[in-house]
Amino acid sequence: GNSVTQMEGPVTLSEEAFLTINCTYTATGYPSLFWYVQYPGEGLQLLLKATKADDKGSNKGFEATYRKETTSFHLEKGSVQVSDSAVYFCALTSGSARQLTFGSGTQLTVLP
Amino acid sequence: DSGVTQTPKHLITATGQRVTLRCSPRSGDLSVYWYQQSLDQGLQFLIQYYNGEERAKGNILERFSAQQFPDLHSELNLSSLELGDSALYFCASGGAGGITDTQYFGPGTRLTVL
Repeated sequence: GNSVTQMEGPVTLSEEAFLTINCTYTATGYPSLFWYVQYPGEGLQLLLKATKADDKGSNKGFEATYRKETTSFHLEKGSVQVSDSAVYFCALTSGSARQLTFGSGTQLTVLP
Repeated sequence: DSGVTQTPKHLITATGQRVTLRCSPRSGDLSVYWYQQSLDQGLQFLIQYYNGEERAKGNILERFSAQQFPDLHSELNLSSLELGDSALYFCASGGAGGITDTQYFGPGTRLTVL
């Protein structure tokens, strides 16, 4: 079946630090890959997505590249801000399964 | 604002009771997905509807059921509630329901079973 493994949290960084959150996946067929973000007390918002190998998704300074050879979709940002503090979820859809399979989430706290 | 609305925002009830959660998808979206978020299970897919018909089922308990109406809004019914059903329930909507579709999430309904 499909599964997503995310870097364990929580992650605490200082403002302007470099961020990497690791995500690897197991899927049948050719999955589409997503990063969602959940701010405190809110629902999930799509951060970025990639639908085929070597695609790079990007949004708000965040980037992730779909790596088929390593089955990975790591999230990166060059300089984090306090406002980036949230929980980040890696997810996929694959094959006939239209539903999202989520990783366990990574709590990010950015300190001023 | 994702354009997906969910009501109510909070629900507090007792064990053994039944509740109904409501979701209105984004204008034009035909698919509705229900997810449960809990501390021990994380985010889990429950069920999907597409244009009124059930399309996929996940880890949905037999005590839970859902439907999608002709106006495309959806309801999730939870009955014989147990303490372990306390969780955040999210609805998401998408277009044609394909695997490249983006799913847009509502703000969620927080259910507390006492």
